[in-house]
Order: sequence, then C-alpha cells, then structure tokens
Amino acid sequence: GENVEQHPSTLSVQEGDSAVIKCTYSDSASNYFPWYKQELGKRPQLIIDIRSNVGEKKDQRIAVTLNKTAKHFSLHITETQPEDSAVYFCAAIPGANNLFFGTGTRLTVIP
Amino acid sequence: NAGVMQNPRHLVRRRGQEARLRCSPMKGHSHVYWYRQLPEEGLKFMVYLQKENIIDESGMPKERFSAEFPKEGPSILRIQQVVRGDSAAYFCASAGQGPYEQYFGPGTRLTVT
Repeated sequence: GENVEQHPSTLSVQEGDSAVIKCTYSDSASNYFPWYKQELGKRPQLIIDIRSNVGEKKDQRIAVTLNKTAKHFSLHITETQPEDSAVYFCAAIPGANNLFFGTGTRLTVIP
Repeated sequence: NAGVMQNPRHLVRRRGQEARLRCSPMKGHSHVYWYRQLPEEGLKFMVYLQKENIIDESGMPKERFSAEFPKEGPSILRIQQVVRGDSAAYFCASAGQGPYEQYFGPGTRLTVT
C-alpha cells in the first residue's frame, strides 16, 4: 500500500515568516494530494489539494507544489499568522479508495 | 448547507459494552469514510461505504467492528465488546466524487473505562 512520510514533525516560526512542510509518497499511481489543518480538538479541515496533472497550486497565502518524478509534495505558508498554528497533515490517494495520511506537523507561529 | 454531522460527540463506555457512532454526510454526498485517530497521531483509514454497500473495509479490524450506510439514515460504525485500546477519536468524512475532496465531521471521542 501507499506510505506517506511527512517532515518535520514540529515547526516553529516567527509571525510573518514562511513555513514549509514536506511529504514523500511511495506509490507512483498516487494522483491526488490534499492538505488538512487540524486545530486542537477540532475536525481536520481541507485547506488545499493538488492533482497529479498540475505542478503547483496557490490559494492566497497557501501554496502546494508537486514533483511527480521525485514523488514529493510540499505545503508553503507565507506571511504566517498566529491563527495558522495547528497540526497539518498531508495525504495521498494511490488510485485506491481512501486517503493515506502522513504523521502530521505541529506548526507553532510565535507572535 | 450543513456540513458533515457526527453524534455523539463524546461517548463513554465500559469494557465489554457496545459503541454506536453515527455520521450524516454532507448534502449531496454519497461516499462516506471512517477514520480513527489516536492521541498525537495521524488518521488511519477504516472503511469506505456508499449507500447500502461497503466498498473497502481493509482498514477495519475483522472482529468486533462493523459499519453500514443504509438507504435511509446515517452511516453507523459499531464497535462490539469495546476494550481500552478502542479509545480514540473516530472521524467520518464524506465526498461527492469518490475519494477526492473529503470533508470531515467533528468526530466522536470514545473513551472506554
């Protein structure tokens, strides 16, 4: 099955700086890569996703890049704000029926 | 447009009892997924259902766990004879097109005492 690895497990940045979270996947058949944000005690929220026919997608301060050859994708958050503090999960779908999640990155934005 | 609903939000059961978790998908969504999340860990897939059909149950333990999504009403995840190791947050997600763009419910936090 698919194996998704996520780094780093924790990340602290100063408010206004950028944050980058990286994920790798193992199954070359994977074709969909969403990112979820989960605040403490809350539901995971879909914040951005990318399909395998696209190399980059941007939505305001959030962007995702995909390198199919290297089998890795990254989440970029610019101009970070305290409300960006949360756990972020990447995921992949290898053409199967379900999402395989990474282990999460706890992002702390220091005011 | 109501989002994905789950109830109860918190459930306490003694060892050996049964737990029933309910999930109502977003309006217009016919694909339901159940995930389990242990504290400080990621989400692990359990089962994928469409109306009246189990599509993929490869992540669900074969004993004590079952799931259904009847023609009418919510999807139900049932855990029989609960043990302490079943304590976790159980999330369901729904989607309109297969596994893509899954939206999560608020979760049910199960505590087994």
